[in-house]
Amino acid sequence: KQEVTQIPAALSVPEGENLVLNCSFTDSAIYNLQWFRQDPGKGLTSLLLIQSSQREQTSGRLNASLDKSSGRSTLYIAASQPGDSATYLCAVRDGYTGNQFYFGTGTSLTVIP
Amino acid sequence: GAGVSQTPSNKVTEKGKYVELRCDPISGHTALYWYRQSLGQGPEFLIYFQGTGAADDSGLPNDRFFAVRPEGSVSTLKIQRTERGDSAVYLCASSLNGGLAGGTDTQYFGPGTRLTVL
Repeated sequence: KQEVTQIPAALSVPEGENLVLNCSFTDSAIYNLQWFRQDPGKGLTSLLLIQSSQREQTSGRLNASLDKSSGRSTLYIAASQPGDSATYLCAVRDGYTGNQFYFGTGTSLTVIP
Repeated sequence: GAGVSQTPSNKVTEKGKYVELRCDPISGHTALYWYRQSLGQGPEFLIYFQGTGAADDSGLPNDRFFAVRPEGSVSTLKIQRTERGDSAVYLCASSLNGGLAGGTDTQYFGPGTRLTVL
């Protein structure tokens, strides 16, 4: 069964810093990988989706990379802001059927003003 | 436009009772997913619908859990004889397509239903 791990579990940084969140997965047979943001008491909001054939995706201050063969993805956040404070989750889509998504346990980010 | 909605937002019940949780997906989305999220954990897949049929229910923990989507839109997750271990946030998501045809599709999540079993 696919296992997804996120490191670190929690991160606290001062405003303006660039930061990197890590995601690793055990089975390289994935269809795509998504990064989500979750605010307390809220559902998940999709940030970036990387197809298995792609190496990276960018949206504004966010850049996500994917190394499928090594089972790793990183989310880079540039010039962090207090509004970036949230839990960030990565999820891989099962590459055999495309039906299931496997989530990591998330990284809780706090950006200090 | 309207996003994914879930009702109720909170449900408190007693052990042994039956509960129903409702999900209204985005109009036109054929794929619908249910997840369960326990405190400090990521969402755990429960079931996936493609249209009216459950295409993959391998994540349902046991036969006390059941879900339907009779008209291919609204879905109801049903839990019989609730146990304290069922307490969690139940999330619903929808996407335009499912399976391998939906590889580029983003999942849109509802706000969840927080279930507490006393």
